[in-house]
Amino acid sequence: GAVVSQHPSWVICKSGTSVKIECRSLDFQATTMFWYRQFPKQSLMLMATSNEGSKATYEQGVEKDKFLINHASLTLSTLTVTSAHPEDSSFYICSAGDRVLTQYFGPGTRLLVL
Amino acid sequence: EDQVTQSPEALRLQEGESSSLNCSYTVSGLRGLFWYRQDPGKGPEFLFTLYSAGEEKEKERLKATLTKKESFLHITAPKPEDSATYLCAVQPNNAGNMLTFGGGTRLMVKP
Repeated sequence: GAVVSQHPSWVICKSGTSVKIECRSLDFQATTMFWYRQFPKQSLMLMATSNEGSKATYEQGVEKDKFLINHASLTLSTLTVTSAHPEDSSFYICSAGDRVLTQYFGPGTRLLVL
Repeated sequence: EDQVTQSPEALRLQEGESSSLNCSYTVSGLRGLFWYRQDPGKGPEFLFTLYSAGEEKEKERLKATLTKKESFLHITAPKPEDSATYLCAVQPNNAGNMLTFGGGTRLMVKP
């Protein structure tokens, strides 16, 4: 149980394009989902918290117009990187919180912007 | 401000050489302390949740313990497949599901 999927696992795009990443909780309902960014050999950096049916809460320094988050249902959250640039290249990981407040993580999405 | 410090940053062990990873924390009211394992290029995998001082949990070669100031992840007779980064995170009271992570310990077990 407690499986979280992400799609795509890899994406390569040209500078200026937008990229959408999906995060799904497969076997439980998640009222809260989280989006993290991770640089090589560093720990997870929380970008934003999203609650189903409401606006996401962004961490300080994260541009909400750059990283659009939609949490349309209890099992799906999406992160859209708008007008991506090479500095947005990173490993993006989502997580979903269950009823006992444990976060379960997706496998991650590696984004490379050329 | 909630803080989590993990030590050492990196640890090299020979197969079968038991050791412990440390997670020191300061938090304004602890709801839970979490341990995750992360393999390169993958998302963290949930291992344990500890809720109160004195609590212990075990899974195969791993045992996690908790005091009011720190947690230890004991690895008994590790195998090369235990090589990974181990992440510790605290969840404060009244913070919903939010976690504050430590920097992680990169464990390398040589055969």
